[in-house]
Amino acid sequence: GNSVTQMEGPVTLSEEAFLTINCTYTATGYPSLFWYVQYPGEGLQLLLKATKADDKGSNKGFEATYRKETTSFHLEKGSVQVSDSAVYFCALSSQQGGSEKLVFGKGTKLTVNP
Amino acid sequence: DAGITQSPRYKITETGRQVTLMCHQTWSHSYMFWYRQDLGHGLRLIYYSAAADITDKGEVPDGYVVSRSKTENFPLTLESATRSQTSVYFCASSPGYSNQPQHFGDGTRLSIL
Repeated sequence: GNSVTQMEGPVTLSEEAFLTINCTYTATGYPSLFWYVQYPGEGLQLLLKATKADDKGSNKGFEATYRKETTSFHLEKGSVQVSDSAVYFCALSSQQGGSEKLVFGKGTKLTVNP
Repeated sequence: DAGITQSPRYKITETGRQVTLMCHQTWSHSYMFWYRQDLGHGLRLIYYSAAADITDKGEVPDGYVVSRSKTENFPLTLESATRSQTSVYFCASSPGYSNQPQHFGDGTRLSIL
């Protein structure tokens, strides 16, 4: 079945460091790929998405490119801030039984220190 | 305001009690979902609904009941709560197309003593 594997955390960085969170997937067909972010005490928010191969999603300085050849969707940011501290989830859309559902990775907790 | 609202935000109850978590969305999205979030497991789908009066099981449905009589509401009921159901519960909605994201509520933190 469809699945998402993302690097396990926690990840701790200093402010202005470069961030990469790896995400690989297994899927049939052509899923859409998403990164969600969860700040403490809140629900998940969409950070960025890509709907086809070679698409690059970007938002708030974060980027991820849909790589079909390596089945990856790694999240990157060139210079993290303390406010980026959160849990990040990679997800793919999965159609099962005619219904669209999301399959999530287990999340990566990021802490950015000043 | 438009959005998705969960209530209550926090709930403490005892084993064996019935508890209902509420979810309301104002977008008229056809799809609604219930997840539980636990350390080490990420988000796991409990139940989902493709439209009013259409519901289906997700990954971990045992011990839960859902209904959807109106498009905007999707309550989740624990008929006889157990300690293993202590978790944070999230409701989400989406239009149902694969390129459209799900929108999440702020969650209900449920503790079962």
